[in-house]
Amino acid sequence: AQKVTQAQTEISVVEKEDVTLDCVYETRDTTYYLFWYKQPPSGELVFLIRRNSFDEQNEISGRYSWNFQKSTSSFNFTITASQVVDSAVYFCALLDSNYQLIWGAGTKLIIKP
Amino acid sequence: ETGVTQTPRHLVMGMTNKKSLKCEQHLGHNAMYWYKQSAKKPLELMFVYSLEERVENNSVPSRFSPECPNSSHLFLHLHTLQPEDSALYLCASSQDLRGQGAEQYFGPGTRLTVT
Repeated sequence: AQKVTQAQTEISVVEKEDVTLDCVYETRDTTYYLFWYKQPPSGELVFLIRRNSFDEQNEISGRYSWNFQKSTSSFNFTITASQVVDSAVYFCALLDSNYQLIWGAGTKLIIKP
Repeated sequence: ETGVTQTPRHLVMGMTNKKSLKCEQHLGHNAMYWYKQSAKKPLELMFVYSLEERVENNSVPSRFSPECPNSSHLFLHLHTLQPEDSALYLCASSQDLRGQGAEQYFGPGTRLTVT
């Protein structure tokens, strides 16, 4: 069965700290896609990144970085030097041979000034 | 406008009303989706349209009726709703259902309250 687990329900850090959001997935498929989305208080889900199962290179985009490890079925997201504007709920999602995104429950990230 | 737009942003309706939610995507995508997001529950996929054909209906009650007149527009017609239908309704679109273009882009959502 396909499943995405975000074990951290809520994380609270002080501004400028680094923070890592965990995502663990389950799938039987060899080809699949992983996604991270951000949902700020305004409610709109913002696409952050897509990672293909056959590309294990880690990716960095400014203060954001993603660590994809097939051996542990994890796709973790790190924010470096966090800012108050990073406060949001972050969702990890999986798309395999089906076309339905399997969503994690989300991690609420609170960045305190 | 760019991206995915949804109207109205907020809607309050009685249980006997009929209303419609509108979604429009300006991205040239081929697939569109309706999701329901309730407090403390995972995002629930309701309907999927690909090239204007419905490809998925996730056991959604018949009081929700989708319509996709073309690849840019998606509607959700609502009638005789229940208070538990109060939620944030999100529309999304993607280039393709699978593969490299499968990332979904979301609209701002419609906050629906059923009284």
